[in-house]
Order: sequence, then structure tokens, then C-alpha cells
Amino acid sequence: DAGITQSPRYKITETGRQVTLMCHQTWSHSYMFWYRQDLGHGLRLIYYSAAADITDKGEVPDGYVVSRSKTENFPLTLESATRSQTSVYFCASSEPTTSVRYNEQFFGPGTRLTVL
Amino acid sequence: EDQVTQSPEALRLQEGESSSLNCSYTVSGLRGLFWYRQDPGKGPEFLFTLYSAGEEKEKERLKATLTKKESFLHITAPKPEDSATYLCAVHYGGSQGNLIFGKGTKLSVKP
Repeated sequence: DAGITQSPRYKITETGRQVTLMCHQTWSHSYMFWYRQDLGHGLRLIYYSAAADITDKGEVPDGYVVSRSKTENFPLTLESATRSQTSVYFCASSEPTTSVRYNEQFFGPGTRLTVL
Repeated sequence: EDQVTQSPEALRLQEGESSSLNCSYTVSGLRGLFWYRQDPGKGPEFLFTLYSAGEEKEKERLKATLTKKESFLHITAPKPEDSATYLCAVHYGGSQGNLIFGKGTKLSVKP
């Protein structure tokens, strides 16, 4: 089915390990986004991408790395996981926009990451 | 400081009891205000986009409205299946990265 998928859905890792969260979309949307959702903070933008090989930082990028070699994939890597990165991570995508009206984003099901 | 504030944090209604959720914002250069529904353990599900003051959108029992400083999500005669957390998000300025989510309103509808 068309849509946006994330893998794994659940991940437990240890402090200091590298972890990669995968995101795949079948809509051919230009924009893709990574968010984290924590109690008391709501959704916060980590990184986003306007197209293949174009990425930019969001509100909370420290400790994360992204890449986008293909339009449909947007992996998020935690190079050395810390306990503070325990969270639920959501990937999203959207169509290109005009300069004055931005389009809605469509979200994946999320990855629940626990760092011990 | 750019902010998005949702109220109340939680709302309990009886089935059929209509009410409204509020999203107030202080940003420059609104590019869109979005409402999402989120069920436990799932990703946010898109509901509405509003762009201009005075704009309204409807879907089943939900109606979203927008003014220059806030948006309301009106729920008419809610049913238990409307129970969820409702998120408001505001896109502003000249960058796709300028998106702020509110912390949400958790709605519970009792039969």
C-alpha cells in the first residue's frame, strides 16, 4: 500500500551505540521530516529534507545525522546514543509548496526507541 | 518568541456534549495552521489545513476555524470514537523548518 513506513517500530539499545531509524515513503513527496515526541514537549523537528541530497537542521538536531540519497528514503542515525534520546520518533512527508502556503505533512507510525 | 499554545490540556465530555478546543499562536508570517488527531501508539493523522483568517473547514463532527491569533476545533455531538489527542501545528516564516506543534488536547468522550 502507498504511504509512509518506519522501521523498526521498537528498538532498545545501549548508551554509546549507533542506531539507524529508517523511513520510506511511496508518494514521491519532495519534503521529508524527522520529529521526536516526548511528554511535556510535543513534537519537535530534528531534521528535514527538501529533496535528495538536500537536508537542513530543525529545532533539536544535536546528536543526530541524516542522509537522503533517494527521494523515497530518509534514514535518521544516532551516532552515539544517549539516554536523553529515548523517545518516540516520527517521520513525515509533504508535497512541495508555494512560498506563502505550506502543505500538510503525513506521518508514519513511529519508532519507539529506548536507550539504556 | 514564536509559540503555539493549546487549551485545555485535557477535556472530558459526555457523548453528545459539544465543545471546542483552542489553539492560540504568536508567529510572524503564517504559512498554514494544521490540525491533527493522534491515537495512542500511532502517528498523527491529518485533519485540516487553514491559511487565512475567517477560513473554516468541516469533516463529519469536526469544524475548524481560524482567526488572526487563534484557531478553534469545534466538536459537535461527539462520540466515544472521537476520543484522541488533537494536535495543532503552525507553519510560519520562509522555511519549511519553521513549524511549531502545540502540546495537544487529550479528549475523552464517555458513552
